[in-house]
Amino acid sequence: EPEVTQTPSHQVTQMGQEVILRCVPISNHLYFYWYRQILGQKVEFLVSFYNNEISEKSEIFDDQFSVERPDGSNFTLKIRSTKLEDSAMYFCASSQEDEQYFGPGTRLTVT
Amino acid sequence: LAKTTQPISMDSYEGQEVNITCSHNNIATNDYITWYQQFPSQGPRFIIQGYKTKVTNEVASLFIPADRKSSTLSLPRVSLSDTAVYYCLVGVDTGRRALTFGSGTRLQVQP
Repeated sequence: EPEVTQTPSHQVTQMGQEVILRCVPISNHLYFYWYRQILGQKVEFLVSFYNNEISEKSEIFDDQFSVERPDGSNFTLKIRSTKLEDSAMYFCASSQEDEQYFGPGTRLTVT
Repeated sequence: LAKTTQPISMDSYEGQEVNITCSHNNIATNDYITWYQQFPSQGPRFIIQGYKTKVTNEVASLFIPADRKSSTLSLPRVSLSDTAVYYCLVGVDTGRRALTFGSGTRLQVQP
């Protein structure tokens, strides 16, 4: 069964550093998403991407965040200047029709 | 997405049927009801989606009464591996738009 993959599984960074989280969505999917989940809290939507542009974004997705689909397979989330409160699990998802397929997540720890 | 209310937690034993009810009094005409499952440290996983009456797949059944103001996810003969958080979501085009997760129902299956 096709699946969404994410790298790295765990990223540790210092406050103020830039990080790039990588995702490979399912190959024939057209819609891509990033969500995050702070430990013990709800899964929160960040951004959705369709046809090479952002289609929706939440209030969390401010100027320090950006997304890119640099080639036909990867989908990345960049956090320019990380803060302590950015520590969370970041999930990538992709979809074609009714359901969104989530990746295993990247645990980001900002120290 | 319509607001949903579901129990915070439920306990069950292996082999029992588990029914998790979700209230969505403000569901709109075009809204669908979707359930996701999340295991610890993993991304959510789509379980089932329905609009009215009953939907069944290899994992679960979804019962939706005529007024659609609530729905019940039924898990037949649960096992320890069904221990997870279950989320009820209500909305349109949930396969192509941002998902808004609530706190979900934490199901604990005991041996």
